[in-house]
Amino acid sequence: QVHLVESGGGVVQPGKSLRLSCSASGFDFSRFDIHWVRQAPGKGLEWVATTSHDGRDKHYVDSVEGRFTISRDNSKSTVYLQMNSLRGEDTAVYYCAQERTYYYGSGSYIAYLDSWGQGTLVTVSS
Amino acid sequence: DIQMTQSPSSLSASVGDRVTIRCRTSQSVNNFFNWYQQKPGKAPKLLIYAASSLQSGVPSQFSGGGSGTDFTLTISNLQPGDFATYYCQQTYSFPHTFGQGTKVEFK
Repeated sequence: QVHLVESGGGVVQPGKSLRLSCSASGFDFSRFDIHWVRQAPGKGLEWVATTSHDGRDKHYVDSVEGRFTISRDNSKSTVYLQMNSLRGEDTAVYYCAQERTYYYGSGSYIAYLDSWGQGTLVTVSS
Repeated sequence: DIQMTQSPSSLSASVGDRVTIRCRTSQSVNNFFNWYQQKPGKAPKLLIYAASSLQSGVPSQFSGGGSGTDFTLTISNLQPGDFATYYCQQTYSFPHTFGQGTKVEFK
């Protein structure tokens, strides 16, 4: 059974840094891409970042590009989100999620987020 | 970035109703499209992937349709456990944007 657990959230001042962790179990971690998705209080879901299964390919939403860094340690079955220069608008619950894919044909794979963690709250406030 | 327009933002319905939620993308995403359900204080749950494929374990009252730029999520015979917020998502290109959400409330 897939199990994802986020940790590292808390209250941090604007401009400071925080590192989130996503610890995984129940599947072959090194074979799957992992995503971070966040949700500001009372707001909708926002996709944040992803790392490929081997850590070589990474993508970010524009609003965190250059401030956040996603990485992974497959030996520890853990993905990290290093968040620097934090702003008030980064306040949110941060979820990590396992990507699965559906073969659509002609070499195309459709990605979807199958399993999610319970989330960790990050509050950026002075 | 691909923009998502989800409608309505909220709706009121009764148990047994048929409900349809729509999502439009700013450019074609083919079938790279998913639907999620989220209940208060909980993580999202995958319902539909690849526009119309029902995730394992999800009741058959949920169905997805559409391709290209226009997609629908239909809940037939609404059940008490279906009152929640629903989100669409495209995974055709990065960033993998979500719709704004549709809150299904009890009438």
